[in-house]
Amino acid sequence: QKEVEQDPGPLSVPEGAIVSLNCTYSNSAFQYFMWYRQYSRKGPELLMYTYSSGNKEDGRFTAQVDKSSKYISLFIRDSQPSDSATYLCALGSGNTGKLIFGQGTTLQVKP
Amino acid sequence: GAVVSQHPSRVICKSGTSVKIECRSLDFQATTMFWYRQFPKKSLMLMATSNEGSKATYEQGVEKDKFLINHASLTLSTLTVTSAHPEDSSFYICSASGSPFSGANVLTFGAGSRLTVL
Repeated sequence: QKEVEQDPGPLSVPEGAIVSLNCTYSNSAFQYFMWYRQYSRKGPELLMYTYSSGNKEDGRFTAQVDKSSKYISLFIRDSQPSDSATYLCALGSGNTGKLIFGQGTTLQVKP
Repeated sequence: GAVVSQHPSRVICKSGTSVKIECRSLDFQATTMFWYRQFPKKSLMLMATSNEGSKATYEQGVEKDKFLINHASLTLSTLTVTSAHPEDSSFYICSASGSPFSGANVLTFGAGSRLTVL
């Protein structure tokens, strides 16, 4: 079993839709949870990070963590064509900065 | 915000040659840098952790002699792919954090370097 599992997609939605991206993990030692966005042939860009169970909102993005179920989600409201990218969840623990990434979900938002 | 610069962004080389990729933190001191490899439509696979002034820590299955990492200063780490082969063709991405890493001091990624070995 991989440490982090992420629905690979691809996911195609119409503009304005609500998008739900999800990851599950097996190691309860993970302490912080991040979502990165990666455009084609570019490096990952941090979207959200959180430490605790619950929701964290930033504009159109909401990160949700459920530590008891080992499940994290990223919600995108009012999706835009510019949101079309690959979204990667990343989990870490301790202070090393070492992150374990999910496989990435490719999202396409159609105008 | 923190910026990490990678150079070159693209490189093409002949099989058997060595290629060096640089990762620089432009506006902060990075005691730790990470090197990842990413295959098309795949996730980032951590290759090694680079600590300034000490030897890099390689992940299981990564050849130390093949992928030489040098973190000579607080703003620069280099990855040298030695005796490159076509199977080394990939997208290499570095990330950096200040010291010590904490959730608030999140990692910043470079834009990546695409290596093509002919």
